[in-house]
Amino acid sequence: GDSVTQMEGPVTLSEEAFLTINCTYTATGYPSLFWYVQYPGEGLQLLLKATKADDKGSNKGFEATYRKETTSFHLEKGSVQVSDSAVYFCALSGPNTGNQFYFGTGTSLTVIP
Amino acid sequence: EADIYQTPRYLVIGTGKKITLECSQTMGHDKMYWYQQDPGMELHLIHYSYGVNSTEKGDLSSESTVSRIRTEHFPLTLESARPSHTSQYLCASSETRTAYNEQFFGPGTRLTVL
Repeated sequence: GDSVTQMEGPVTLSEEAFLTINCTYTATGYPSLFWYVQYPGEGLQLLLKATKADDKGSNKGFEATYRKETTSFHLEKGSVQVSDSAVYFCALSGPNTGNQFYFGTGTSLTVIP
Repeated sequence: EADIYQTPRYLVIGTGKKITLECSQTMGHDKMYWYQQDPGMELHLIHYSYGVNSTEKGDLSSESTVSRIRTEHFPLTLESARPSHTSQYLCASSETRTAYNEQFFGPGTRLTVL
């Protein structure tokens, strides 16, 4: 069945470091891919999305490119800030998932000054 | 602006009590979901609804029940709370018309059963 495999954490980085959080997926058909972020004590917020192969989603300095050939959607940011400390979830949804989401297990990021 | 609300935000209650977690959205979305989030952060779908009078169980078995009498309202009820129900509960909604079914989340209810 459809699934998402996400890089395990926790990840600790110094401010201004480069961030990559890996995400790969298994799906039939052509799913849409998402990154959500969860700040402490809050619900999930959509960070970015891509709906077809080679699409690049971007928001707040974060980027992810939908790579069908490698079934990946890795999250990147060139220079992280303390305020980026949160849990990041990769997810997919598509016509073969019954319109439900499949979430990865989440990656906790801590950025230290 | 996504508007989905959950109350209460925090609840501490004794074993055996009946509780209802409220979830409301003002976006007119037809689909709504309840997730349970464990301390390891992983999300588990426990209930979902595709519209009024539609409810389905999710991937994770749960002793809770839900109802969907109005489009905007999707409450979750535990008839007799137990310590094993202690968790974070997240409500979400989405609409059918978009191709990618983006889900919008509420702030969550953190439930502690003593």
